[in-house]
Amino acid sequence: GAVVSQHPSWVICKSGTSVKIECRSLDFQATTMFWYRQFPKQSLMLMATSNEGSKATYEQGVEKDKFLINHASLTLSTLTVTSAHPEDSSFYICSAPPLIGSDSPLHFGNGTRLTVT
Amino acid sequence: AQSVTQLGSHVSVSEGALVLLRCNYSSSVPPYLFWYVQYPNQGLQLLLKYTSAATLVKGINGFEAEFKKSETSFHLTKPSAHMSDAAEYFCAVTSGTYKYIFGTGTRLKVLA
Repeated sequence: GAVVSQHPSWVICKSGTSVKIECRSLDFQATTMFWYRQFPKQSLMLMATSNEGSKATYEQGVEKDKFLINHASLTLSTLTVTSAHPEDSSFYICSAPPLIGSDSPLHFGNGTRLTVT
Repeated sequence: AQSVTQLGSHVSVSEGALVLLRCNYSSSVPPYLFWYVQYPNQGLQLLLKYTSAATLVKGINGFEAEFKKSETSFHLTKPSAHMSDAAEYFCAVTSGTYKYIFGTGTRLKVLA
């Protein structure tokens, strides 16, 4: 079945540094990918929509200069958390639709646990 | 606007007992509804989906859900709980785009 791979699974970084998270669609092409953020014991909140070959679309309240998204190919989207601070510590999950058609459900990566010290 | 309400942030059942996780939605257009399961520090795995076909939807691992328009509900059930079912469960709604609205989740605990 369709698989979305996310890397790394865990990352610890120091405050002020940047961290890149990769999201790959392994057996299908994804012109669109989605990035979610999940705080402890809370639901998933959509941060942005990553579009292959064009700018990402950010949800209201999400700082686009802080959360840089690049969708350079049909199988790879990256999220870079720039100048990370402890409040950026969270669980980040990417997803992609494997098939065209709105009733085709999203497939999710296994997430990245970011801890900023 | 769409929204999802999951009643009960924590549910405990005995092994072998019925599992019932509640989800109510609000949508001004015909909704697409999904149930996902999340194990600790992992992403979401699709359990089942409703996309305007049969109202009783069967999913993986013995789970099923029934779409009831009159009650705006999409409750998740499983006849007999297994220890491996312990996880977080999320209900999600969309109007046909990929902008899913997730509920706040229900943590299922299975007691031996």
